Amino acid sequence: LAKTTQPISMDSYEGQEVNITCSHNNIATNDYITWYQQFPSQGPRFIIQGYKTKVTNEVASLFIPADRKSSTLSLPRVSLSDTAVYYCLVGDMRNTGTASKLTFGTGTRLQVTL
Amino acid sequence: DTEVTQTPKHLVMGMTNKKSLKCEQHMGHRAMYWYKQKAKKPPELMFVYSYEKLSINESVPSRFSPECPNSSLLNLHLHALQPEDSALYLCASSQVPKGADTQYFGPGTRLTVL
Repeated sequence: LAKTTQPISMDSYEGQEVNITCSHNNIATNDYITWYQQFPSQGPRFIIQGYKTKVTNEVASLFIPADRKSSTLSLPRVSLSDTAVYYCLVGDMRNTGTASKLTFGTGTRLQVTL
Repeated sequence: DTEVTQTPKHLVMGMTNKKSLKCEQHMGHRAMYWYKQKAKKPPELMFVYSYEKLSINESVPSRFSPECPNSSLLNLHLHALQPEDSALYLCASSQVPKGADTQYFGPGTRLTVL
């Protein structure tokens, strides 16, 4: 399983853009990169997923360089409600019929203040 | 409907009690997961069910016993737990059992073992 490394915590002011970088040096060819968000006492929630280059949805953007050894989650103009833990995960995209694991790293605790 | 429901929301039990946690999804997903999460730690995978069969058991003690009665339901039977088993227990499901598939998490059951 590809291991991921993220900063333990980040602070931001409301209205700023926040970029959280994740390192996954031993990512495999069949792996996708997925980011989840978790608020206290709730289950994680899917934010965005990508394989290479750039992916954008209504919530965030995901930048993946050509070597795919890292990825950056970009949250535009954060608000207080974006205060949460953000997890970067790497998982196999193949459906072999046998379950494959998804291992959560330590995550990044984002604190947004006024 | 992209909801995973879990009952109960909170559970307090003694070390000699037997209790069960319940998880339900109606998205037609064929993979279901149990995670354990301690405070300020990432979720830790416990079990994976793939097409109603137990596929992964992450060396979980036998006092935790999973059951998948049908494709929509997942139970976790608890017996003779220890105080260190107190945690948030999260259920998740995904369309197919592959690591890159989006997992939908329930709100969790907060378990306290006295």
